[in-house]
Amino acid sequence: DAKTTQPNSMESNEEEPVHLPCNHSTISGTDYIHWYRQLPSQGPEYVIHGLTSNVNNRMASLAIAEDRKSSTLILHRATLRDAAVYYCILLNNAGNMLTFGGGTRLMVKP
Amino acid sequence: DAGITQSPRYKITETGRQVTLMCHQTWSHSYMFWYRQDLGHGLRLIYYSAAADITDKGEVPDGYVVSRSKTENFPLTLESATRSQTSVYFCASRDTGGGSPLHFGNGTRLTVT
Repeated sequence: DAKTTQPNSMESNEEEPVHLPCNHSTISGTDYIHWYRQLPSQGPEYVIHGLTSNVNNRMASLAIAEDRKSSTLILHRATLRDAAVYYCILLNNAGNMLTFGGGTRLMVKP
Repeated sequence: DAGITQSPRYKITETGRQVTLMCHQTWSHSYMFWYRQDLGHGLRLIYYSAAADITDKGEVPDGYVVSRSKTENFPLTLESATRSQTSVYFCASRDTGGGSPLHFGNGTRLTVT
């Protein structure tokens, strides 16, 4: 499995943009980059995914480096409800042994 | 309702007892997964399944058994529960294709006394 590395924690002020980085230097051509978040006392939930191009949805934006060895999840205006652990993982068509790293704990200050 | 459901939500059992955690999904997704999450830690993969009657070990399979006789169900059994298996257990499913997201259940909080 291609692995990802993320900072353990990040802090942001409320209503400011947040950029959460993820490194995946061993990514293969068929790997999709997925982001999930886990709010306190809840199961992880899907945020966004992409293959090569940058992606936007109602929750966030995903910026993918040209060489695909890194990506950034962008929350345009952080709210207190965005405080969570954010996980970046790689999924491919085989979809087999999906392991999670430690993720990034995002703290949002009012 | 469409989705992925886990039961029970909470379970307390004694050391040495057998306990089964249930997971049911309504999408007919091919892939299903079991994770455990200890307090303050990340998700660790226990077992996964690529289709009915196909299962494989994950990172921490010891002490657990799974089966998948039907596509929609993926029960996890602790054959003889130990205190170290006290954890929150999450089931997840996804369809084939790298662009298919993972869908998680709400979890089962298991306490072994």
